[in-house]
Amino acid sequence: NAGVTQTPKFQVLKTGQSMTLQCAQDMNHEYMSWYRQDPGMGLRLIHYSVGAGITDQGEVPNGYNVSRSTTEDFPLRLLSAAPSQTSVYFCASRRQGLNTEAFFGQGTRLTVV
Amino acid sequence: GESVGLHLPTLSVQEGDNSIINCAYSNSASDYFIWYKQESGKGPQFIIDIRSNMDKRQGQRVTVLLNKTVKHLSLQIAATQPGDSAVYFCALPKNSGYSTLTFGKGTMLLVSP
Repeated sequence: NAGVTQTPKFQVLKTGQSMTLQCAQDMNHEYMSWYRQDPGMGLRLIHYSVGAGITDQGEVPNGYNVSRSTTEDFPLRLLSAAPSQTSVYFCASRRQGLNTEAFFGQGTRLTVV
Repeated sequence: GESVGLHLPTLSVQEGDNSIINCAYSNSASDYFIWYKQESGKGPQFIIDIRSNMDKRQGQRVTVLLNKTVKHLSLQIAATQPGDSAVYFCALPKNSGYSTLTFGKGTMLLVSP
């Protein structure tokens, strides 16, 4: 059971480039989320989804887009990369319900130069 | 909205000591709490959770205590080992739909032999 898989693990982008961070889960979880982690800031929510076809914004959505065409996949798109988007990105999934834990991927370390 | 804070950014202990990591929350209606462990270069991993109808829950070498009166929870690790060195986060559901989690900023636990 793979759990939550993120690709790539590392990425360097130039300012203005676009790219997609991939996230896939094989646990049939309804909820999926994207977080970014910066030193001293903890995990901040970018976007989330409660099911296929449904997405919503989190705390720091600017500069990012998401879509949820299937239950398994939840890609995060950077439209025009900026140095402020240098961060570690984590995708998480959870089973629908009141008291369920989140399972995290291993993260994507993104550097924008 | 919810906010989650931790009392200490870094906790240094000797191997074999007991460790206590604290977390405060602001929303008195919060009813589910989770502790995560994040090792260097990895995604957060679930440790233990607790519901608001409990004030204590025990796992293997870990205990979570919940004090709803002062909106405080703690994670106690017994006989701390070098492998326990990591950043520890408390988390709780972010919205009424429980579809996302909000995280504290984390406490780094350093265990010296």
